Amino acid sequence: DVKVTQSSRYLVKRTGEKVFLECVQDMDHENMFWYRQDPGLGLRLIYFSYDVKMKEKGDIPEGYSVSREKKERFSLILESASTNQTSMYLCASSLESLGNEQYFGPGTRLTVT
Amino acid sequence: QKEVEQDPGPLSVPEGAIVSLNCTYSNSAFQYFMWYRQYSRKGPELLMYTYSSGNKEDGRFTAQVDKSSKYISLFIRDSQPSDSATYLCASFAGGTSYGKLTFGQGTILTVHP
Repeated sequence: DVKVTQSSRYLVKRTGEKVFLECVQDMDHENMFWYRQDPGLGLRLIYFSYDVKMKEKGDIPEGYSVSREKKERFSLILESASTNQTSMYLCASSLESLGNEQYFGPGTRLTVT
Repeated sequence: QKEVEQDPGPLSVPEGAIVSLNCTYSNSAFQYFMWYRQYSRKGPELLMYTYSSGNKEDGRFTAQVDKSSKYISLFIRDSQPSDSATYLCASFAGGTSYGKLTFGQGTILTVHP
């Protein structure tokens, strides 16, 4: 079974802090994604990566950056957290040869106070 | 206009009812269509996957795609309380999309005993 793990289920940070969200997948998937999920807005893509050190902006990249130094690990960085970044963050991975089915982690509920 | 539109509901039905969940999309390049199910406090999981137009059945679930009207549907027969979840439709074009999916907003479904 594919497993996607995220470093924290719940996180509380203060405004202005630098925040790191880590995601690890164990199935050698080439594609990895970071979404945020808010009520009424659904899943919105922040950034994705199709290979090590390769990244592409999604629909809402402002205020975020990412890092992919190893194939299995994709990190989301909030350089200076703000209250409007309070959200559920979901990581996913996929393999193009498997029809691009995305496998999701359990999510991190981030609260910025 | 969002590329994939989905009525967020919420939808509440009695056990045993037939449920119809619907999405519309605007991008004619979309060829692959998926339905994900997300239980509370969990990440989404793939439920159904279809390519191009037509129907696909899996147990109590039927996914339907009508490319001429750009309409995606998921039917649940004999709905159960365990079907209570958020259902997300998703589409992608294939080719060099790097597995990037476009999601609808999600419909919250409650099946009450």
